This record gives sequence, structure tokens and C-alpha cells, in this order.
Amino acid sequence: DAGVTQSPTHLIKTRGQQVTLRCSPKSGHDTVSWYQQALGQGPQFIFQYYEEEERQRGNFPDRFSGHQFPNYSSELNVNALLLGDSALYLCASSLYTTQETQYFGPGTRLLVL
Amino acid sequence: DAKTTQPPSMDCAEGRAANLPCNHSTISGNEYVYWYRQIHSQGPQYIIHGLKNNETNEMASLIITEDRKSSTLILPHATLRDTAVYYCIAPSNTGKLIFGQGTTLQVKP
Repeated sequence: DAGVTQSPTHLIKTRGQQVTLRCSPKSGHDTVSWYQQALGQGPQFIFQYYEEEERQRGNFPDRFSGHQFPNYSSELNVNALLLGDSALYLCASSLYTTQETQYFGPGTRLLVL
Repeated sequence: DAKTTQPPSMDCAEGRAANLPCNHSTISGNEYVYWYRQIHSQGPQYIIHGLKNNETNEMASLIITEDRKSSTLILPHATLRDTAVYYCIAPSNTGKLIFGQGTTLQVKP
């Protein structure tokens, strides 16, 4: 049984560019959450998707947007990249009914130059 | 979310029990306590959760005080692979996990 997978593993972009990160949830899970983890900090919640809708959002600007597909996979899009967007982006999947029990992927490390 | 307080770091000898404390004095009656850990350069890993009864699984045990204001995660026989940052979280049944600084556990040979 495959766990949560994310792609790509690493990415380098320049300021002002746009990036799309992808996540496939654990088999049987219907909810996907995204987190940003800056170096030396704990993960910060970006948003959560269920039934193809954004259900909750953390304190992140509109430059951060997402999507969930009918197969429950998800994308995170970041527009107009800033140097401060450099971080590890983590995807977590869960069942909506037990949404605090989350299974995390290995993350995508984004470097903005 | 209830605020949680954890010591920034702890050491433990390999093979001994590691006891990681967490204070959550503002937790409400229906809020669970969750523990996750993050091994260097990996995504966080769910360990265990509980409401008011003690819980045990293949990874750890969770002891919650009767007043629910604090809890202890117990790794019964710590190994070097248990070296990680351990996070105690009390989400408000929202699915939004708020990670603090956690406790860095160093297991030493």
C-alpha cells in the first residue's frame, strides 16, 4: 500500500515565477492538507481540501492556491514567488472523519533564488 | 487549538524508556491530544492520540493526567532511530495541526 507521495522532490525557481507541487494521498484517504516548513521551524498549515473544495485555510496570502481532483490527489500552486517562499512543502492525507490523524509525504523542497 | 508547552530538548540512553512531557492546561473537554514526530529531513509521522484514557500502540504509550492538563509520551525502549523532534498537538477538532517547536529527543548509545 503506497503511502503519501509528492513530486517533485526538489525544485529551484527564481523570484516572480510560479510553481506547482503535486500530492497523491494514501490509498483510501479523501482529505489533503498542505503545510510549509521553513528551516528550523515546525510545519505551518496552509490549507485543507475535501470533496474538491478548500475547507480551511491558514494565514497564507492568496498567492498560495490549491486544487483537489476527483481521485483525491491535490496540487499546491504558488504565484509570484518570493525568496521567503523557500521551504519544505509537506502534503498530508487523512480521512475527513478522523482528520487530525494525518499521514505526511516526504515533502518537496523549494528553493527560490 | 489549545496551547501546548514542551521542553525544547531531552536526552535518553539507548534501550531506556524515553518520557516526553507536554502541558496543555487550556485543553477543552472534547479535544484530543496528538503526538507526531519528525525525523531529520523527513515528513512528520503520526504516533498516537488520546482523549482521557491511557493509550498504547506498537510505537508508544500515551499517559494523560486525570485533569487532562498534561500528558506524557513514552517510548519504552528507545533506539537511535527514535532521535527526532516530537510534537504534542491539541487540535480543536478542525483537522488543522498547529506545530510548535516540539521537543528534540536525542537518543545516545
